[in-house]
Amino acid sequence: TQLLEQSPQFLSIQEGENLTVYCNSSSVFSSLQWYRQEPGEGPVLLVTVVTGGEVKKLKRLTFQFGDARKDSSLHITAAQPGDTGLYLCAAVSLTDSWGKLQFGAGTQVVVTP
Amino acid sequence: NAGVTQTPKFRVLKTGQSMTLLCAQDMNHEYMYWYRQDPGMGLRLIHYSVGEGTTAKGEVPDGYNVSRLKKQNFLLGLESAAPSQTSVYFCASSPLAYTQYFGPGTRLTVL
Repeated sequence: TQLLEQSPQFLSIQEGENLTVYCNSSSVFSSLQWYRQEPGEGPVLLVTVVTGGEVKKLKRLTFQFGDARKDSSLHITAAQPGDTGLYLCAAVSLTDSWGKLQFGAGTQVVVTP
Repeated sequence: NAGVTQTPKFRVLKTGQSMTLLCAQDMNHEYMYWYRQDPGMGLRLIHYSVGEGTTAKGEVPDGYNVSRLKKQNFLLGLESAAPSQTSVYFCASSPLAYTQYFGPGTRLTVL
């Protein structure tokens, strides 16, 4: 059973459309991260959110951490083919002393021209 | 500055064979991790290390052993490979936990 549930599992959209990916849990986390992974490569960190209610923007990507620090969302505005990839959320438990990450299963995003 | 490198990139083993995966980082990071990634399951932590000479079990440690004799290297060993260990293995390093930098992965098939 995944501690972090990501939805949807797969998303296919046209270039220029908007999309939102969700990461939910029943647990509270000290921090949450979003990674993007491209085929044949390792995940690359996009953002870390720490404070409940925090919103961070990275160009066309907007990340939000829920007020209760149990969930997060990633919104992409005007998606481009370069946004294609596997988006993974990962979080550190409040009780963890070593910053071990627990990952969601990922959302595969495909943006077609 | 190569970051995190993994050797080999691909490997095919027969059931019962042994092998070692090597992870090297040149960023002087204290923390290192080994994950496996399977379809629909995200990344699962196998073992990790919080410093030279230290190792600890993660979520799925059975069938694997690790060693961190030098700060820059983290080795993952399979003593007797099983088909269930067919996966993509990723190594990561971190300066003080939280932000992790991943290697390109090793694709392992056990027949």
